[in-house]
Amino acid sequence: DSGVTQTPKHLITATGQRVTLRCSPRSGDLSVYWYQQSLDQGLQFLIQYYNGEERAKGNILERFSAQQFPDLHSELNLSSLELGDSALYFCASSVPTPGGTAEAFFGQGTRLTVV
Amino acid sequence: SQKIEQNSEALNIQEGKTATLTCNYTNYSPAYLQWYRQDPGRGPVFLLLIRENEKEKRKERLKVTFDTTLKQSLFHITASQPADSATYLCALDTGRRALTFGSGTRLQVQP
Repeated sequence: DSGVTQTPKHLITATGQRVTLRCSPRSGDLSVYWYQQSLDQGLQFLIQYYNGEERAKGNILERFSAQQFPDLHSELNLSSLELGDSALYFCASSVPTPGGTAEAFFGQGTRLTVV
Repeated sequence: SQKIEQNSEALNIQEGKTATLTCNYTNYSPAYLQWYRQDPGRGPVFLLLIRENEKEKRKERLKVTFDTTLKQSLFHITASQPADSATYLCALDTGRRALTFGSGTRLQVQP
């Protein structure tokens, strides 16, 4: 158990809809990262938050947004969903170090299926 | 463009042999490199981190090397077991303050 909790585990929704994925980081970790992993694709970095503020942005679509709340949990919002958004969405947390990113602890993911 | 390359073909080896996986990168000068294991449908699990000033790092049956001149890391599993079968990912901090992952190499250890 990594200590990172993601809900829900599975989500099936229709095209055009909006969903929210939730992540609770490990106790004490201030950084939260979101990744997308499509079938047969690698992990694609979407966005990072640190202590409530956006820290880095990756290949995140404009239809997607995220936020980190004062209690450090994070939500990833996906809107106007398309079939191609079907993927595993992972949240990870870490304790940043001065030299860069420390080891990341991943949740079990949310499997999103858009039909 | 920046790239992290891992052999996309699956690696099949016999139990007891040493598995060697390769991670090559271009256009980065990472301060360190990390290796993760991912089982189907599950989140990646951290295995090892090696810094740019370290040539080699070991943890139990795992060994990682890091050659910043060749821009390459090798990941070795000695005395491999069927339970080692999984996808192994290398990851770099590419300056965006977040890890960038390679696409992973699937390892299959035959009993």
